Amino acid sequence: EDQVTQSPEALRLQEGESSSLNCSYTVSGLRGLFWYRQDPGKGPEFLFTLYSAGEEKEKERLKATLTKKESFLHITAPKPEDSATYLCALLGSGNTGKLIFGQGTTLQVKP
Amino acid sequence: NAGVTQTPKFQVLKTGQSMTLQCAQDMNHEYMSWYRQDPGMGLRLIHYSVGAGITDQGEVPNGYNVSRSTTEDFPLRLLSAAPSQTSVYFCASSYRGAGDTQYFGPGTRLTVL
Repeated sequence: EDQVTQSPEALRLQEGESSSLNCSYTVSGLRGLFWYRQDPGKGPEFLFTLYSAGEEKEKERLKATLTKKESFLHITAPKPEDSATYLCALLGSGNTGKLIFGQGTTLQVKP
Repeated sequence: NAGVTQTPKFQVLKTGQSMTLQCAQDMNHEYMSWYRQDPGMGLRLIHYSVGAGITDQGEVPNGYNVSRSTTEDFPLRLLSAAPSQTSVYFCASSYRGAGDTQYFGPGTRLTVL
Protein backbone atom coordinates (compact mmCIF):
# COMPACT_ATOMS: atom_id res chain seq x y z
CA GLU A 1 0.00 0.00 0.00
CA ASP A 2 1.28 3.47 -0.89
CA GLN A 3 2.03 5.47 2.22
CA VAL A 4 3.58 8.78 3.29
CA THR A 5 4.61 9.60 6.86
CA GLN A 6 6.06 12.94 7.94
CA SER A 7 8.01 13.76 11.08
CA PRO A 8 8.08 15.59 13.32
CA GLU A 9 4.47 16.82 13.53
CA ALA A 10 5.66 20.18 14.80
CA LEU A 11 9.03 21.88 14.97
CA ARG A 12 10.06 25.08 16.73
CA LEU A 13 13.31 26.74 15.72
CA GLN A 14 15.08 29.91 16.59
CA GLU A 15 15.87 32.20 13.67
CA GLY A 16 19.11 30.97 12.08
CA GLU A 17 18.86 27.47 13.59
CA SER A 18 19.07 25.00 10.69
CA SER A 19 17.13 21.71 10.73
CA SER A 20 15.51 19.05 8.56
CA LEU A 21 12.00 17.73 8.04
CA ASN A 22 11.52 14.07 7.20
CA CYS A 23 9.14 12.34 4.77
CA SER A 24 9.21 8.52 4.74
CA TYR A 25 7.40 6.76 1.94
CA THR A 26 6.48 3.36 0.54
CA VAL A 27 5.40 2.97 -3.07
CA SER A 28 5.71 0.43 -5.83
CA GLY A 29 7.83 2.33 -8.34
CA LEU A 30 8.39 5.98 -7.48
CA ARG A 31 6.95 8.31 -10.11
CA GLY A 32 7.29 11.56 -8.20
CA LEU A 33 7.63 12.97 -4.69
CA PHE A 34 6.44 16.52 -4.04
CA TRP A 35 6.87 19.17 -1.38
CA TYR A 36 4.28 21.88 -0.77
CA ARG A 37 4.14 24.78 1.65
CA GLN A 38 0.86 25.80 3.31
CA ASP A 39 0.33 29.06 5.17
CA PRO A 40 -2.52 29.30 7.72
CA GLY A 41 -5.91 29.77 6.08
CA LYS A 42 -4.54 29.24 2.56
CA GLY A 43 -4.18 26.46 0.03
CA PRO A 44 -0.86 24.64 -0.41
CA GLU A 45 1.76 26.08 -2.76
CA PHE A 46 4.17 23.96 -4.77
CA LEU A 47 7.85 23.88 -3.79
CA PHE A 48 9.67 20.91 -5.37
CA THR A 49 9.32 17.70 -7.35
CA LEU A 50 11.86 14.86 -7.00
CA TYR A 51 11.90 11.76 -9.20
CA SER A 52 14.89 9.57 -8.36
CA ALA A 53 17.16 8.71 -5.44
CA GLY A 54 20.07 11.12 -5.18
CA GLU A 55 18.20 14.01 -6.70
CA GLU A 56 18.34 17.39 -4.96
CA LYS A 57 16.45 20.65 -5.54
CA GLU A 58 17.09 24.04 -3.93
CA LYS A 59 15.14 27.25 -3.48
CA GLU A 60 16.45 30.04 -1.26
CA ARG A 61 16.91 28.52 2.23
CA LEU A 62 15.22 25.23 1.33
CA LYS A 63 16.82 22.11 -0.12
CA ALA A 64 14.93 18.89 -0.82
CA THR A 65 16.73 15.56 -1.12
CA LEU A 66 15.56 12.04 -1.95
CA THR A 67 16.63 8.50 -1.09
CA LYS A 68 14.89 5.22 -1.91
CA LYS A 69 12.86 5.39 1.30
CA GLU A 70 12.90 9.01 2.47
CA SER A 71 12.92 12.62 1.46
CA PHE A 72 14.30 15.44 3.55
CA LEU A 73 13.52 19.13 3.45
CA HIS A 74 16.56 20.93 4.82
CA ILE A 75 16.06 24.47 6.07
CA THR A 76 19.24 26.50 6.37
CA ALA A 77 19.33 29.57 8.63
CA PRO A 78 15.51 29.89 8.71
CA LYS A 79 13.71 33.19 9.08
CA PRO A 80 10.30 33.84 10.72
CA GLU A 81 8.72 34.06 7.25
CA ASP A 82 9.59 30.36 6.73
CA SER A 83 6.98 29.51 9.37
CA ALA A 84 4.34 27.34 7.69
CA THR A 85 3.14 23.77 7.36
CA TYR A 86 5.23 21.73 4.94
CA LEU A 87 3.47 18.89 3.15
CA CYS A 88 5.04 15.91 1.40
CA ALA A 89 3.08 14.05 -1.29
CA LEU A 90 3.57 10.95 -3.42
CA LEU A 91 2.18 10.04 -6.82
CA GLY A 92 0.33 6.76 -6.28
CA SER A 93 1.62 3.60 -7.92
CA GLY A 94 -0.06 2.00 -10.91
CA ASN A 95 -2.20 3.80 -13.42
CA THR A 96 -3.88 6.11 -10.93
CA GLY A 97 -4.47 9.81 -10.94
CA LYS A 98 -3.99 10.07 -7.22
CA LEU A 99 -1.69 12.17 -5.07
CA ILE A 100 -1.16 10.88 -1.52
CA PHE A 101 -0.27 13.47 1.12
CA GLY A 102 1.46 13.08 4.46
CA GLN A 103 0.10 14.71 7.60
CA GLY A 104 2.47 17.66 7.36
CA THR A 105 5.07 19.27 9.61
CA THR A 106 4.20 22.62 11.16
CA LEU A 107 7.30 24.77 11.43
CA GLN A 108 7.51 27.80 13.70
CA VAL A 109 10.59 30.03 13.49
CA LYS A 110 10.97 32.49 16.31
CA PRO A 111 12.95 35.73 15.93
CA ASN B 1 -5.41 34.81 -14.49
CA ALA B 2 -7.53 34.29 -11.38
CA GLY B 3 -6.08 30.79 -10.94
CA VAL B 4 -8.28 28.42 -8.92
CA THR B 5 -11.30 30.00 -7.26
CA GLN B 6 -13.60 28.45 -4.68
CA THR B 7 -16.93 29.59 -3.30
CA PRO B 8 -18.15 29.96 -0.66
CA LYS B 9 -15.25 30.66 1.70
CA PHE B 10 -17.28 29.66 4.77
CA GLN B 11 -20.48 27.64 5.14
CA VAL B 12 -22.56 26.31 8.03
CA LEU B 13 -25.06 23.53 7.35
CA LYS B 14 -27.49 21.54 9.41
CA THR B 15 -27.35 17.75 9.34
CA GLY B 16 -29.22 16.42 6.32
CA GLN B 17 -28.95 19.56 4.21
CA SER B 18 -27.37 19.43 0.79
CA MET B 19 -25.11 21.93 -0.89
CA THR B 20 -22.60 22.42 -3.69
CA LEU B 21 -19.07 23.72 -3.28
CA GLN B 22 -17.96 25.54 -6.41
CA CYS B 23 -14.52 25.31 -7.99
CA ALA B 24 -13.35 26.99 -11.18
CA GLN B 25 -9.99 27.44 -12.92
CA ASP B 26 -9.01 29.64 -15.85
CA MET B 27 -5.72 27.97 -16.75
CA ASN B 28 -7.18 25.42 -19.20
CA HIS B 29 -6.05 22.59 -16.94
CA GLU B 30 -7.26 19.08 -17.69
CA TYR B 31 -6.84 17.61 -14.19
CA MET B 32 -8.94 18.80 -11.25
CA SER B 33 -9.40 17.34 -7.79
CA TRP B 34 -11.06 17.82 -4.44
CA TYR B 35 -9.41 17.25 -1.07
CA ARG B 36 -10.54 17.56 2.50
CA GLN B 37 -8.14 18.58 5.25
CA ASP B 38 -8.70 17.58 8.85
CA PRO B 39 -6.38 18.18 11.82
CA GLY B 40 -3.68 15.52 12.05
CA MET B 41 -4.81 13.75 8.86
CA GLY B 42 -3.32 15.82 6.09
CA LEU B 43 -5.05 16.22 2.73
CA ARG B 44 -7.25 13.33 1.62
CA LEU B 45 -8.44 12.97 -1.95
CA ILE B 46 -12.22 12.88 -2.40
CA HIS B 47 -12.74 12.81 -6.19
CA TYR B 48 -10.74 13.76 -9.23
CA SER B 49 -11.20 14.36 -12.94
CA VAL B 50 -8.75 13.94 -15.81
CA GLY B 51 -10.89 15.90 -18.23
CA ALA B 52 -14.40 17.05 -19.08
CA GLY B 53 -16.87 14.18 -18.71
CA ILE B 54 -14.43 11.96 -16.77
CA THR B 55 -14.41 11.58 -12.99
CA ASP B 56 -13.12 8.98 -10.55
CA GLN B 57 -13.13 8.30 -6.84
CA GLY B 58 -10.33 9.13 -4.48
CA GLU B 59 -9.62 7.92 -0.97
CA VAL B 60 -12.77 9.23 0.79
CA PRO B 61 -15.61 9.55 -1.78
CA ASN B 62 -18.62 8.50 0.31
CA GLY B 63 -21.24 11.22 0.76
CA TYR B 64 -19.88 13.34 -2.09
CA ASN B 65 -20.78 13.64 -5.77
CA VAL B 66 -18.93 15.35 -8.61
CA SER B 67 -19.41 16.05 -12.29
CA ARG B 68 -17.24 17.74 -14.90
CA SER B 69 -19.32 19.19 -17.72
CA THR B 70 -16.72 21.81 -18.70
CA THR B 71 -12.93 22.05 -18.48
CA GLU B 72 -13.21 25.08 -16.17
CA ASP B 73 -15.65 23.89 -13.49
CA PHE B 74 -15.59 21.00 -11.03
CA PRO B 75 -18.35 21.31 -8.39
CA LEU B 76 -18.49 19.09 -5.31
CA ARG B 77 -21.94 18.14 -4.04
CA LEU B 78 -22.74 17.07 -0.50
CA LEU B 79 -25.87 14.96 -0.78
CA SER B 80 -26.97 14.88 2.88
CA ALA B 81 -24.53 16.65 5.16
CA ALA B 82 -23.24 14.90 8.28
CA PRO B 83 -21.14 16.27 11.18
CA SER B 84 -18.28 14.01 9.99
CA GLN B 85 -18.08 16.18 6.87
CA THR B 86 -17.03 19.20 8.91
CA SER B 87 -13.70 20.05 7.35
CA VAL B 88 -11.75 22.42 5.13
CA TYR B 89 -12.18 21.58 1.45
CA PHE B 90 -9.59 22.39 -1.19
CA CYS B 91 -9.93 22.23 -4.94
CA ALA B 92 -6.80 21.85 -7.07
CA SER B 93 -5.97 21.78 -10.76
CA SER B 94 -2.98 20.88 -12.89
CA TYR B 95 -2.06 20.79 -16.56
CA ARG B 96 -2.55 17.07 -17.22
CA GLY B 97 -2.43 14.87 -14.14
CA ALA B 98 -1.65 14.25 -10.48
CA GLY B 99 2.08 14.23 -11.25
CA ASP B 100 2.08 17.82 -12.48
CA THR B 101 2.33 20.88 -10.25
CA GLN B 102 -0.97 21.26 -8.41
CA TYR B 103 -2.51 24.72 -8.06
CA PHE B 104 -4.78 24.93 -5.04
CA GLY B 105 -7.73 27.18 -4.36
CA PRO B 106 -8.09 29.15 -1.11
CA GLY B 107 -10.37 26.56 0.49
CA THR B 108 -13.92 26.36 1.87
CA ARG B 109 -14.39 25.92 5.61
CA LEU B 110 -17.53 23.84 6.17
CA THR B 111 -19.22 23.23 9.50
CA VAL B 112 -22.08 20.75 9.80
CA LEU B 113 -24.16 21.05 12.96
